[in-house]
Amino acid sequence: QQQVKQSPQSLIVQKGGISIINCAYENTAFDYFPWYQQFPGKGPALLIAIRPDVSEKKEGRFTISFNKSAKQFSLHIMDSQPGDSATYFCAASNQAGTALIFGKGTTLSVSS
Amino acid sequence: DAGVTQSPTHLIKTRGQQVTLRCSPKSGHDTVSWYQQALGQGPQFIFQYYEEEERQRGNFPDRFSGHQFPNYSSELNVNALLLGDSALYLCASSSILAGEGNEQFFGPGTRLTVL
Repeated sequence: QQQVKQSPQSLIVQKGGISIINCAYENTAFDYFPWYQQFPGKGPALLIAIRPDVSEKKEGRFTISFNKSAKQFSLHIMDSQPGDSATYFCAASNQAGTALIFGKGTTLSVSS
Repeated sequence: DAGVTQSPTHLIKTRGQQVTLRCSPKSGHDTVSWYQQALGQGPQFIFQYYEEEERQRGNFPDRFSGHQFPNYSSELNVNALLLGDSALYLCASSSILAGEGNEQFFGPGTRLTVL
């Protein structure tokens, strides 16, 4: 199975709150898991990525949590800001640089 | 340092026509991947080019073809356009030589509308 399942489809969070987006995968050959942020009319921008040899990676307000046994990974956005309002995609691939399999995306709205 | 650039920005074609989209990778990158993003969906991988050869291909028909030039830039060609080909076409570049740091950086895309 090549699918990556992403939830929720949409998310509304108050300013300063925590946004959490979840993804699940089937293919155990996947070993690279990036998150992309996309604003309307723009291409996706790489936010943060993780490999399965670590369970967590943090960059600024963005954290990826990875559960290899459950084949799940999630993005946490701490202290969410209105400027974070965008569509977020999780993805996976067999190795960095090869075909990315994307989830369907989560539209995040941060209310002020 | 210019990022990934794509042209044109927008394009309108009619069914049955052919279209060519262009991509210049980020400086220092040698690999170009193409993705199709339908409205409200995640990008879907079309194919990847490295050293002027198609390295990997997704589940797209032969109407979709590509090319990579010696300067690493790339073209995506779509023949016999269908209404369902209307989408944002994204180009992503990366560097094989970067090894584990081989992250893909996306361009702004070309919005193709087929009437």
